[in-house]
Amino acid sequence: EAQVTQNPRYLITVTGKKLTVTCSQNMNHEYMSWYRQDPGLGLRQIYYSMNVEVTDKGDVPEGYKVSRKEKRNFPLILESPSPNQTSLYFCASSLEGRDQPQHFGDGTRLSIL
Amino acid sequence: SQQGEEDPQALSIQEGENATMNCSYKTSINNLQWYRQNSGRGLVHLILIRSNEREKHSGRLRVTLDTSKKSSSLLITASRAADTASYFCAPRDNDMRFGAGTRLTVKP
Repeated sequence: EAQVTQNPRYLITVTGKKLTVTCSQNMNHEYMSWYRQDPGLGLRQIYYSMNVEVTDKGDVPEGYKVSRKEKRNFPLILESPSPNQTSLYFCASSLEGRDQPQHFGDGTRLSIL
Repeated sequence: SQQGEEDPQALSIQEGENATMNCSYKTSINNLQWYRQNSGRGLVHLILIRSNEREKHSGRLRVTLDTSKKSSSLLITASRAADTASYFCAPRDNDMRFGAGTRLTVKP
């Protein structure tokens, strides 16, 4: 089954404790992206990647890192999480090209205390 | 890149009625995509309309695009309780941005 898989789905942690949210897709998609969703603000893009070893900042990259060493994986790293990073996070992927729909994971709800 | 702005923010209708949601954007686009999000879940792609298209249908969904007014609308006909969700438009130029969405509630 074609899917985007995020782990963990839920995480409660404390300020400053490094964490990684994994994202994996099995559709051989070139494009991958991370979003955060906050009430009233919609989805805001954090980082995206057009292909392996190519990553670019989105609208809200501060406090986050990503890497794209393999085509299927696009982990999101919070080196020193802070409470303002409490949010619902989504990973998405698509084939290369502007007319391709994005496929989303089911989300990761992070709470930073 | 630009963000779509959906209107209204929330819409409540009875089952069987039609639901219309609107989207406005600011600059030229390559295409515009509509997505649905059930509560707390990931977005699901519904339909894509290209900049040279004016109308597109998919089942009970009808999307229109007016590039002169920089606006699009999504019509869901004969709505069902299962259509209750948030709906997002995403204008696409070099990249794609999502707005805050329209929250649709369909009452049985």
